[in-house]
Amino acid sequence: GQQLNQSPQSMFIQEGEDVSMNCTSSSIFNTWLWYKQDPGEGPVLLIALYKAGELTSNGRLTAQFGITRKDSFLNISASIPSDVGIYFCAGQGRNSGGGADGLTFGKGTHLIIQP
Amino acid sequence: DAMVIQNPRYQVTQFGKPVTLSCSQTLNHNVMYWYQQKSSQAPKLLFHYYDKDFNNEADTPDNFQSRRPNTSFCFLDIRSPGLGDAAMYLCATSRVGWDRAQFFGPGTRLTVL
Repeated sequence: GQQLNQSPQSMFIQEGEDVSMNCTSSSIFNTWLWYKQDPGEGPVLLIALYKAGELTSNGRLTAQFGITRKDSFLNISASIPSDVGIYFCAGQGRNSGGGADGLTFGKGTHLIIQP
Repeated sequence: DAMVIQNPRYQVTQFGKPVTLSCSQTLNHNVMYWYQQKSSQAPKLLFHYYDKDFNNEADTPDNFQSRRPNTSFCFLDIRSPGLGDAAMYLCATSRVGWDRAQFFGPGTRLTVL
């Protein structure tokens, strides 16, 4: 099956620093999504990418859909304490069968901000 | 605000006692998904409904069933919960075609005693 390699697994940074994380896949995806999940809550959508090469920003967050369709990155600029949490990348393949596909998730990047 | 709602947020059941988890949406999305997320792991797709069409993942145990009586509601039934089924269960919805991002509910934390 499809697998996503997400790195780094965890990041220890200081407030104000920029953050970068990425995902790579052995398979092509048609959609890349980035989520943030806080403890005990569901994932919250940060950025959705639908076209190869697409670069999208959401406030301090910027994400890109790789040209090969096999990778994506997420950058966070000027981190603040509320950025703490687990960030997941997720890929969605071509529609098949019923016209919708579930997501394949990376294993997550745990962001920790040191005082 | 349009949203995905899951009830209850916390559910405790006994080993082997059937349990039903509920999901509703006000987004009017065609597709509803159920994911299982175990501690310190990524969510894993169990199955999804595209309108009334049910799509099961090949490795989803038979112990897990789902019902979608209408566009707004979808249920996850666990017929005989085992200790290994303790997890967070996440419901998500999406459109199809363009703008097909999935939106998740807050999840139901299932404990099996």
